[in-house]
Amino acid sequence: GNSVTQMEGPVTLSEEAFLTINCTYTATGYPSLFWYVQYPGEGLQLLLKATKADDKGSNKGFEATYRKETTSFHLEKGSVQVSDSAVYFCALSELGNQFYFGTGTSLTVIP
Amino acid sequence: KAGVTQTPRYLIKTRGQQVTLSCSPISGHRSVSWYQQTPGQGLQFLFEYFSETQRNKGNFPGRFSGRQFSNSRSEMNVSTLELGDSALYLCASSLEVAGELFFGEGSRLTVL
Repeated sequence: GNSVTQMEGPVTLSEEAFLTINCTYTATGYPSLFWYVQYPGEGLQLLLKATKADDKGSNKGFEATYRKETTSFHLEKGSVQVSDSAVYFCALSELGNQFYFGTGTSLTVIP
Repeated sequence: KAGVTQTPRYLIKTRGQQVTLSCSPISGHRSVSWYQQTPGQGLQFLFEYFSETQRNKGNFPGRFSGRQFSNSRSEMNVSTLELGDSALYLCASSLEVAGELFFGEGSRLTVL
């Protein structure tokens, strides 16, 4: 079956630090991969996505590369800001099927 | 373009009662999904509707039900509420089944 496993949190970083949140997946076919972000008191927003192997999704300084050989989609940012404090969810979907989300990783960035 | 709208945003119920939550998707989106979000379990898939038909269903008891109307608006109902049903219920719409999801801000249900 399909599943997503992501790094346990919470993660606390100082401003301008490098961020990595690990995400690995299990899928029966060829899924699309997503990172969603949830800011306090809000619903989830799409951060970035990749639809096939070796694709790199990027947005707001965040990047993630679809690695089929390691079944991974790790989220990275070179220099985090206080405004990046949120919960990050890795997810996958296969055409015609539901989304599968990881459990979420809480990030707090301190000035 | 208006986003996904969920009502009510907050509600408090007591055990044994029932509740109906509403979701208006983005205009033109025909797929609506529902998720339950709790601190312990994360996001759990409830069900997905496309063109008024339930396409997928998660592993929830029959007390949880939903429907979709011809204008793509969706409702979910929880009957005989239990304390453990306290959660943030998120609705998401997409253009097609398993397409990119656009989430509403959620309906926070507290069961006392």
